[in-house]
Amino acid sequence: EAQVTQNPRYLITVTGKKLTVTCSQNMNHEYMSWYRQDPGLGLRQIYYSMNVEVTDKGDVPEGYKVSRKEKRNFPLILESPSPNQTSLYFCASSLSPPGSRVASYEQYFGPGTRLTVT
Amino acid sequence: LAKTTQPISMDSYEGQEVNITCSHNNIATNDYITWYQQFPSQGPRFIIQGYKTKVTNEVASLFIPADRKSSTLSLPRVSLSDTAVYYCLVGDETGTASKLTFGTGTRLQVTL
Repeated sequence: EAQVTQNPRYLITVTGKKLTVTCSQNMNHEYMSWYRQDPGLGLRQIYYSMNVEVTDKGDVPEGYKVSRKEKRNFPLILESPSPNQTSLYFCASSLSPPGSRVASYEQYFGPGTRLTVT
Repeated sequence: LAKTTQPISMDSYEGQEVNITCSHNNIATNDYITWYQQFPSQGPRFIIQGYKTKVTNEVASLFIPADRKSSTLSLPRVSLSDTAVYYCLVGDETGTASKLTFGTGTRLQVTL
């Protein structure tokens, strides 16, 4: 089954304790992205990756790191989490970047990771 | 970056047709219009995409007038399971093709 998986689905942690949220897709997609969703603010992009070893900042990258060593995996790293990073996080992937020559904006989203930082 | 404006919420009865209109006055020539659906505690799901005139798939129709400054998502005969948030998006006019920008969406509530 074609899908994007995220782990963990739920996480409660304390300020300053490093954590990693994993994201994996089995569709051989080149483009992957991380979003956070907060009430009243919609979804905001954190980081994205056009392909292996190619990553770039989205709208709200502060406090986050990513890596893309393999095509299928795109982990989100919080080196020193703070309470303002409490949010619902989504990983997404697509065959090509949104709006590219194939003109497709269809992204596949994972089930989400609900993170609480106390 | 092209900005979209859509109603915050809409209510409908089951079996009715629902039309959600999105305004995107600054849409760029090469931008496509895309709609996503999101159920509570789930990731958004792609519904439909179009450039001009009308596009239809098994889920919805998308109507885009000639000036492309707005678009209307049409859901035929909605059911309770169509209760969700619907997002209208347009492409990044800078041409970097790097991201989708989600607004706050339209919360559709379907009741019996």
